[in-house]
Amino acid sequence: DTGVSQDPRHKITKRGQNVTFRCDPISEHNRLYWYRQTLGQGPEFLTYFQNEAQLEKSRLLSDRFSAERPKGSFSTLEIQRTEQGDSAMYLCASSLESGTRPYEQYFGPGTRLTVT
Amino acid sequence: DQQVKQNSPSLSVQEGRISILNCDYTNSMFDYFLWYKKYPAEGPTFLISISSIKDKNEDGRFTVFLNKSAKHLSLHIVPSQPGDSAVYFCAARPGAQKLVFGQGTRLTINP
Repeated sequence: DTGVSQDPRHKITKRGQNVTFRCDPISEHNRLYWYRQTLGQGPEFLTYFQNEAQLEKSRLLSDRFSAERPKGSFSTLEIQRTEQGDSAMYLCASSLESGTRPYEQYFGPGTRLTVT
Repeated sequence: DQQVKQNSPSLSVQEGRISILNCDYTNSMFDYFLWYKKYPAEGPTFLISISSIKDKNEDGRFTVFLNKSAKHLSLHIVPSQPGDSAVYFCAARPGAQKLVFGQGTRLTINP
């Protein structure tokens, strides 16, 4: 039973470049979430998918951010024209809607983005 | 608007003693509360949860207490072990699917 995986684990990019992160949820989980965590803070919600439908987006998700989950399995998060303020840990989580505890979300190891 | 607050950034406890981590919240609409543990360079690991209709949930060494009138929850770890040293986050679900997290408390277990 594999957990949530994320790729890459680390990404260093120059300001203005585009970056894309991938998340593979736990295989039977139909809900997938993206969060961002900065130093000294807890994770902050960015967006969530149920199957392939993106059902909620935070106001933190500016128009430079886009997330997809084309086949209801893995998801990608793209940041265009990166800014230094985008430097953070990007976390993916998944959960099972029909499970006995659908509110429990299981997190991946995260992708640490550094924008120079 | 910080709806979930962990007012203690750090806590130090002797091995074998009880660790008590606290969390306060402002939103009465939260329906579930969760605790996560996080080691450096890893994602948060789910520990234990509690429904808003309960006041206690226990799982091994971990017990979560919920006081709805005070809008306060706590995580008790008994006995504390060196491997419990980590950052602990409380989180709450506001009826929607997302979780709202506190800022975290760094727990250090001393031998």
